[in-house]
Formats: sequence, C-alpha cells, structure tokens
Amino acid sequence: NAGVMQNPRHLVRRRGQEARLRCSPMKGHSHVYWYRQLPEEGLKFMVYLQKENIIDESGMPKERFSAEFPKEGPSILRIQQVVRGDSAAYFCASSPQGTSRSYEQYFGPGTRLTVT
Amino acid sequence: LAKTTQPISMDSYEGQEVNITCSHNNIATNDYITWYQQFPSQGPRFIIQGYKTKVTNEVASLFIPADRKSSTLSLPRVSLSDTAVYYCLVGDEDNFNKFYFGSGTKLNVKP
Repeated sequence: NAGVMQNPRHLVRRRGQEARLRCSPMKGHSHVYWYRQLPEEGLKFMVYLQKENIIDESGMPKERFSAEFPKEGPSILRIQQVVRGDSAAYFCASSPQGTSRSYEQYFGPGTRLTVT
Repeated sequence: LAKTTQPISMDSYEGQEVNITCSHNNIATNDYITWYQQFPSQGPRFIIQGYKTKVTNEVASLFIPADRKSSTLSLPRVSLSDTAVYYCLVGDEDNFNKFYFGSGTKLNVKP
C-alpha cells in the first residue's frame, strides 16, 4: 500500500512563474491537507479538501494560491506569480476521514520549492 | 492565537528517558491528542494518539491528566536516531477543521 506521494520533490521557479505541486493521497483516503513549512519553522496549515470540495482554506493566502482535489487524479496546490517568500517545503497529508476529530494524518515527503 | 505550547528545544543523552510536555488549554471534549515526529527534510510521521489517561505503543507512551489541558510524550531510552522535532496536534473547539500543530520541540540526543 503506497503512502502519500508528492511530486515533484524539488521545484525551482523564477519569480513570476507558476508552481504546481501534486499530491496523491493514500489508497482509500478521501481527505487531503496541505501545509507549508518555512526554513527552521513549524508546519502551518493551509487548506483542507475532500474530493471536489474545499472544506477549509483559511490558512491559504487569498491571492496567488489555489488548491483543488478533483474527483479523479491528484490534489493540486497552485501558486501563481511566485515570489521569493514562497520558497518553502510544502507537505501534503491524507486521512481516511476528517470528521472524527481524530487527527491521524499520513504525510508525504514534501515538495521543496525554491524561487530564484 | 496559539493553541498548543511546547518547549522549543530539549537536550538528552543516549539511553535516557525523555518527556516532552504540550499545553492545550482549549482542547475540545471530543478531541484527541496526537504527536508527530519530523526528521530534517522529511514529512512528519505519526507517533501516538490518545484521549485520556495513558496510551503506550512500541515507540512511546502518552500521558494525559484528567483535565486534558496538557499531555506528555515519553520516549524511553532514546538513541541518536530519535533526534528530531516533535509536534503535538489537538483540535480547535471553535472550528475543528483548523488543525494546529504546536511550535514543535527540537530534541537533540547526544552520545
């Protein structure tokens, strides 16, 4: 049973370009969470999605950032017109259910975005 | 508004028992307490989860007092490979969809 998969593992973008980060949850999991981790800092919640629905995006910047989790395919975190401050590790996690308040989330290896 | 509070860092030596405490004064009635471990350049890894009293697995023990306003992760006989950042995660009584990781405790195990 494959774990949470993220790709690419490393992504380099120039300022102003777009970054697309992909996350495939564990088999059978229908809930996906995205986190951002700046160097030497803790994880910060960005967005929580179920299939075809955004449940909570309160941690995601209002501009330039968007996320989706289509019925088929991976979840996508999209950052438009990247700036140097977007350089960070972006982690995706999945869980089989999100309403139990039992927060056992399985994390992927992360995508390290570098904006030059 | 911070939902959890942990020590920023701790030092220990191989073979010692390490206890890391997390404060979570606003924990909701139905919330569980979950601890994660994170090595550099890796995603967090689930360690243990509990609701009250004591939970033990092959990796760690979790102690939760009756008021549940704090929890203590106990790592028995640590080794160098236990050097990592440890996070506690609890729910938000105002909005359970907002998952707050603590600031994390950086554990440094010395030989």
